[in-house]
Amino acid sequence: DIQLTQSPSFLSASVGDRVTITCRASQDIRSYLAWYQQKPGKAPDLLIYDVSALQSGVPSRFSGSGSGTEFTLTISSLQPEDFATYYCQQINAYPFTFGPGTKVEI
Amino acid sequence: EVQLVESGGGLVQPGGSLRLSCAASGFTFSDHYMEWARQAPGKGLEWVGRIRKKANSYTTEYAAAAKGRFTISRDDSKNSLYLQMNSLKTEDTAVYYCARVDRSQYYMDVWGKGTTVTVSS
Repeated sequence: DIQLTQSPSFLSASVGDRVTITCRASQDIRSYLAWYQQKPGKAPDLLIYDVSALQSGVPSRFSGSGSGTEFTLTISSLQPEDFATYYCQQINAYPFTFGPGTKVEI
Repeated sequence: EVQLVESGGGLVQPGGSLRLSCAASGFTFSDHYMEWARQAPGKGLEWVGRIRKKANSYTTEYAAAAKGRFTISRDDSKNSLYLQMNSLKTEDTAVYYCARVDRSQYYMDVWGKGTTVTVSS
């Protein structure tokens, strides 16, 4: 199975900060990587797919990059509504897997 | 409005069975692959499995933890997705989410609110 790791696991930031989260895969997953945002008690929301494509309705302050085994999610200017947990997911090979999550808090 | 509503969760003893349902509305259900994911209390997301559409013979894929115990099925005439869970273990305790798979990109683009399954004696 493809393992995903995320760093950091916890991030303390302020409104307006630039935030970067890293996701590393145990093997090449090409461009089959997505990022999801989950707020407490809610279902996840798809933010970015295929490494860098923004899901419809997602603000442009979110961006993704990377290839192969290393990927990043960047929030250019953190807003109050962005405080949440972020998960990467690979769909390059079954079984699909999620990273362990990065919690972004004030 | 595109919507997914899960039901069927509850308390079940170890070794027991439970069938979860997911009612879809607001889109052409039969055109989409569908998936289940779960989240144990205080833990991260875990992919459970996928079912393809009729054109792909309703074939399925499962995570290792689900293989042999869980079965994903669908009834396109009822716009419904199912997860039959047998031989339940305490570690299956989680919120179970159904999700629609985007037709072009194959990611989970719409999620339900989830239903809670508790496996305990």
